[in-house]
Amino acid sequence: QLQLQESGPGLVKPSETLSLTCTVSGGSISGSLSYWGWIRQPPGKGLEWIGSIYYSGSTYYNPSLKSRVTISVDTSKNQFSLRLSSVTAADTAVYFCARRPRTGTYSYYFDYWGQGTLVTVSS
Amino acid sequence: EIALTQSPATLSLSPGERATLSCRASQSVSSSLAWYQQKPGQVPRLLVYDSSNRATGIPARFSGSGSGTDFTLTISSLEPEDFAVYYCQQRYDWPITFGQGTRLEIK
Repeated sequence: QLQLQESGPGLVKPSETLSLTCTVSGGSISGSLSYWGWIRQPPGKGLEWIGSIYYSGSTYYNPSLKSRVTISVDTSKNQFSLRLSSVTAADTAVYFCARRPRTGTYSYYFDYWGQGTLVTVSS
Repeated sequence: EIALTQSPATLSLSPGERATLSCRASQSVSSSLAWYQQKPGQVPRLLVYDSSNRATGIPARFSGSGSGTDFTLTISSLEPEDFAVYYCQQRYDWPITFGQGTRLEIK
């Protein structure tokens, strides 16, 4: 069973860079022909796709965040990461990592999610 | 960017009643639309994909329909565990977009 787990600081200061890592277990990032992505949810609000990365390294970002976002993958560690720069209070949210398979029954939908991690932007 | 508009924002119904949730896209997404259910403090769960296909383990009371720009999620007879927030999501084009959600609450 595929599992995803987010990790990283729960508190980030304004203007600094938010950094999160998603560790994948029960399957290989490079072997799954999937996109690996980040989605966030501000407290009490809806879901916002941040960006995705293919195992080969190709990236796709939400235009509204593109100037501040970097997603990278480390296949040797079976991890992918998110960096969001120049954060403000508006970036306070639960951040989820998720898999979006490129093939199979649920292709291009999010079928496996991490539990999510709350990141608060505050001084 | 394809915008998804869900209605109503909140739906108040009683167990046993029928729920009809709507998702409208700003341009055609063909049948490339999914529905997710999210309960408080939980991770979104894929319910329906490609407009009308139930994901594995999803009860038959959940059904999806529509194509192009107008989509519907129907819950035929509400169970207590169905009260949650529901989101639609399109996979037709980048960027991936979600609707703002419909909160299904107990009346």
